[in-house]
Amino acid sequence: KNQVEQSPQSLIILEGKNCTLQCNYTVSPFSNLRWYKQDTGRGPVSLTIMTFSENTKSNGRYTATLDADTKQSSLHITASQLSDSASYICVVSLSGGYQKVTFGIGTKLQVIP
Amino acid sequence: DAGITQSPRHKVTETGTPVTLRCHQTENHRYMYWYRQDPGHGLRLIHYSYGVKDTDKGEVSDGYSVSRSKTEDFLLTLESATSSQTSVYFCAISESLAGVHEQFFGPGTRLTVL
Repeated sequence: KNQVEQSPQSLIILEGKNCTLQCNYTVSPFSNLRWYKQDTGRGPVSLTIMTFSENTKSNGRYTATLDADTKQSSLHITASQLSDSASYICVVSLSGGYQKVTFGIGTKLQVIP
Repeated sequence: DAGITQSPRHKVTETGTPVTLRCHQTENHRYMYWYRQDPGHGLRLIHYSYGVKDTDKGEVSDGYSVSRSKTEDFLLTLESATSSQTSVYFCAISESLAGVHEQFFGPGTRLTVL
C-alpha cells in the first residue's frame, strides 16, 4: 500500500528558530515529491517540487531535501516567522498517472513570539 | 489561489438533500480534481477530469458524481447528502510541465450535513 508518513504531527517553535519536518514514503514507482503549506481555512499552496534526480530544492527560507534511495524527504524552515504557522503537507506522485497522488496528513507548525 | 474559485465557500444542508459544489478556473488547465479533507486523513481524491466531458473516479467516489461541460468549470454533486460527507472539499487544477503535474488548489468549501 502506498503511504506517506509525516513527523512530527505537531510542533511549536520560537520565532526566529529553525525547524525540520520529516516525510517518509513507501510510494512506488516514484515520480515526484511536493511540499505544500496550508494556512488554516485555506487551500494548500505549493512550496517545492522535486523529481527523482533532484535532492535539494529551495524556496526562500524553505529548503526541501529528497533521498530517493531511503524514500525520505525533509523540509527545513530557516529563521521562522509567525506567518510560518500552518500545516505542511508532503505529497508523493506515482509515475504512470497524473492522478495517482498520495497525501500525508501533515505537520502542524506553530511559531510563537 | 492560482485563479481558482469555489462556490459556495460554506454550506449547511440536511441529510438526503442534493448538493452541488462548483469549481471555476481561469488558468485554462486541462486537468481538474475534487478532493475531500478530513481530520486524521490526507486529502483523498473523489473524482478527476482530464478534459471536457472526460472524468473518472478516485479512491472515495461513492455517493458523488461530477460533470465538466466547459474547460473552466468542474461540478461536484452529492445526490443525497449523508452525514459522512461532512468535510472540507478542495478543487485542484494541474497542467503537465515536462511530464510533471504541479497541482494548484482552490480555497475550499466547508460542507456540513446535519
